[in-house]
Formats: sequence, C-alpha cells, structure tokens
Amino acid sequence: KNQVEQSPQSLIILEGKNCTLQCNYTVSPFSNLRWYKQDTGRGPVSLTIMTFSENTKSNGRYTATLDADTKQSSLHITASQLSDSASYICVVTRGGSYIPTFGRGTSLIVHP
Amino acid sequence: GAVVSQHPSWVICKSGTSVKIECRSLDFQATTMFWYRQFPKQSLMLMATSNEGSKATYEQGVEKDKFLINHASLTLSTLTVTSAHPEDSSFYICSAWDPYNEQFFGPGTRLTVL
Repeated sequence: KNQVEQSPQSLIILEGKNCTLQCNYTVSPFSNLRWYKQDTGRGPVSLTIMTFSENTKSNGRYTATLDADTKQSSLHITASQLSDSASYICVVTRGGSYIPTFGRGTSLIVHP
Repeated sequence: GAVVSQHPSWVICKSGTSVKIECRSLDFQATTMFWYRQFPKQSLMLMATSNEGSKATYEQGVEKDKFLINHASLTLSTLTVTSAHPEDSSFYICSAWDPYNEQFFGPGTRLTVL
C-alpha cells in the first residue's frame, strides 16, 4: 500500500532554534517528493521538490534531504521564525501518476 | 509562480441548500484540476479529478451526485455541494498542474453548514 508517514505529529520550538521533520514513504514506483507549508486556513504552498537523483535541496532557511534507497526524507528548518508556525506536509507522487499521496503533516509551533 | 484562486474563501449556508465553489488557474491553462477536502488536523483527501470537457473522476466513497464538478474551461473548475448537511462542513481545496508539472494549490474554501 502506498503510504506517507510523517513524524513528529507536532512540535513546539523556541524562536531561533533549528528543527528537523521526518517523512518515510512506501510509494512505489517513486517519481518525486514535495514538502509543502500550510498555514491555518490556507492552501498548501510548495517549499521544495525532489526527484530520485536529488539528495538535497534548499529554499532559504528550508533544506530538504532525500534518501531514495531507504525511502526517507527530512525537512530542516534553520533559525526558526514565528511565521514558520504551520503544518508541514510531505507529498510523494507515484511514477506515471498525477495523483500524489499526502502525509498527515507535522504541526510546528514556534514560540517567542 | 503560477497562481490558483478559489472563490469564495468562506461560506456559511443552511442545511439543504447548495453551494458552488470556483477554482481558477490565473496564469496558465489546466486541463486537469483536483478537488480535496480537509478536516481539522487531517491530511488532504482527494475527492475527484476534474477534466476539462469531460466527466470528473471521483474517488471511492465520494458521491458524484452530491459533489457536482464542472470543468467548463481550461481555467475554471467548479465544485457544487448539493443539499449540504452539517457533516459536509470542511475545508475544500483545489489544485492544478501547470505546464511545467508543478502542482499549485488554491487558498481553500471554508464551508460551514448550519
């Protein structure tokens, strides 16, 4: 069964600290993996997209890693800001399909 | 980047009425759009795939007669929730793939059925 599992389910950190979110998937065959940020009451916004051959991709303070062998990805947030408080969703698309599989998301709260 | 808009952003209606939600791709043409539903603290759940000029493809368990989808043009798809009931209250999000195979989501529509 094609699944995407994220951990932790929720995370609280202090402003300025770093954090790492995890995503494990069983989707096969693999096409690409995306990390999205979803603010409360808003639609998801893409942070990074990674294909099979990519190990690391950065977007400002966000750095995503991908290990296609172990089917794991992580999203590292550096020097967190209050505006980083949101749900972070890992989305994996199967090869040959336009329909992605969504993780449940990690709810991140950044406290001042 | 590409922009996908939704209208309205929120709507409150009485039980038994119908509500139409619009999804537009503002700067690209989308032959395929997707409709998702998201309950609080849950992941997005795909409801249906909207295809321009043809019938929508519904996911298992989604009533096609209750959630009417019309993809009348390459930039507009509509979702009509017919005879809405309180259990239909949810956050509805559409998405579209741009010509570069990037998926963009709309801002979502919060539906509350009283």
